[in-house]
Amino acid sequence: KAGVTQTPRYLIKTRGQQVTLSCSPISGHRSVSWYQQTPGQGLQFLFEYFSETQRNKGNFPGRFSGRQFSNSRSEMNVSTLELGDSALYLCASSLGDRDTEAFFGQGTRLTVV
Amino acid sequence: GESVGLHLPTLSVQEGDNSIINCAYSNSASDYFIWYKQESGKGPQFIIDIRSNMDKRQGQRVTVLLNKTVKHLSLQIAATQPGDSAVYFCAENYDGNMLTFGGGTRLMVKP
Repeated sequence: KAGVTQTPRYLIKTRGQQVTLSCSPISGHRSVSWYQQTPGQGLQFLFEYFSETQRNKGNFPGRFSGRQFSNSRSEMNVSTLELGDSALYLCASSLGDRDTEAFFGQGTRLTVV
Repeated sequence: GESVGLHLPTLSVQEGDNSIINCAYSNSASDYFIWYKQESGKGPQFIIDIRSNMDKRQGQRVTVLLNKTVKHLSLQIAATQPGDSAVYFCAENYDGNMLTFGGGTRLMVKP
């Protein structure tokens, strides 16, 4: 069974630009969550999508948004990039029931210059 | 919101010894906990989980202990191997599927 796939693996963007990251969950998983990982703040929850609906949201500004498609694939978008948005963005998929295992992808390394 | 924390940022052990990684959580409403292992350049890898109605759970070479009285979680790795070298995170779930992670502990295994 294929794992969680994130594309692209690496991105370099300029301040003010916008970026879209993609996540394909494990087959059969309906929940996709996004996390930001930085050396200073660690792993922080961005949002979770389940059946094409945002079910949970973390404490990030509105520049961070996401969506989920009918095949459970998810995208997250960051607009008006700032230097502080440089991070590893991780996607996790799970069946969607409460308290079930969440499996992570390899992440997308975003660098904002 | 409250967050999960770790006592030791770096743990160095000899190959073959047992390792114990500790984690303190502060939200008494948390009812599900997970340990993840993250190697350089990779995403977190699920190791083991435990629900709040249990105080111990064993996997292959790993054991997780949960002490709800003092809000403490630990991961024990038996016969630590060089391949166990990584950063270990504990995470708690108290609100839907939103995981709150601790800061991580780096485990270094000396040959």
